[in-house]
Amino acid sequence: GAVVSQHPSWVICKSGTSVKIECRSLDFQATTMFWYRQFPKQSLMLMATSNEGSKATYEQGVEKDKFLINHASLTLSTLTVTSAHPEDSSFYICSARDWGVRREQYFGPGTRLTVT
Amino acid sequence: TQLLEQSPQFLSIQEGENLTVYCNSSSVFSSLQWYRQEPGEGPVLLVTVVTGGEVKKLKRLTFQFGDARKDSSLHITAAQPGDTGLYLCAGGNQGGKLIFGQGTELSVKP
Repeated sequence: GAVVSQHPSWVICKSGTSVKIECRSLDFQATTMFWYRQFPKQSLMLMATSNEGSKATYEQGVEKDKFLINHASLTLSTLTVTSAHPEDSSFYICSARDWGVRREQYFGPGTRLTVT
Repeated sequence: TQLLEQSPQFLSIQEGENLTVYCNSSSVFSSLQWYRQEPGEGPVLLVTVVTGGEVKKLKRLTFQFGDARKDSSLHITAAQPGDTGLYLCAGGNQGGKLIFGQGTELSVKP
């Protein structure tokens, strides 16, 4: 299957700082990427849809000023958690949609964010 | 709002037993995906079903998409400890957005 990478795989930051998470599609172009949040033992919650060259679409209840998404190229989307608080600690997962031959959605390995 | 109800949420069985996981919705989906996720990793796609009534088999796993494309099931035959993990169903719409069920935490004991 296609490969999606995330960086970093884990990060610890202090309250009030900002953290950037990268999501890359390594062997296909992804005009659409998605960002999810997952709490322990729970399912994935869609946060936003990232479209290359345009503004992200956020799900209801997700603060767009807190979770900044940028999709500047066909292979890279970034999620920046601004002014992080301990309640932002979570597992963040991105996925990339391959609209080509495979037409599947592939997930990255996730980023564990801990805010102290 | 599209919702997917997945059940059971927890399942603990002995090696060799069979099990079925269900995903139900009142909404029609253009596709239904099943994923398996290990702790600390991203979900890995197992199968995609797109046609109502479709049945796909992956070794001991059988996936079915309901005729009306509103529900799906995953059946595992003769479960093994290696099947342990979180199983997720996700319904897809035309825009590519996935709606996930609550997940099923499966534990297969030797």
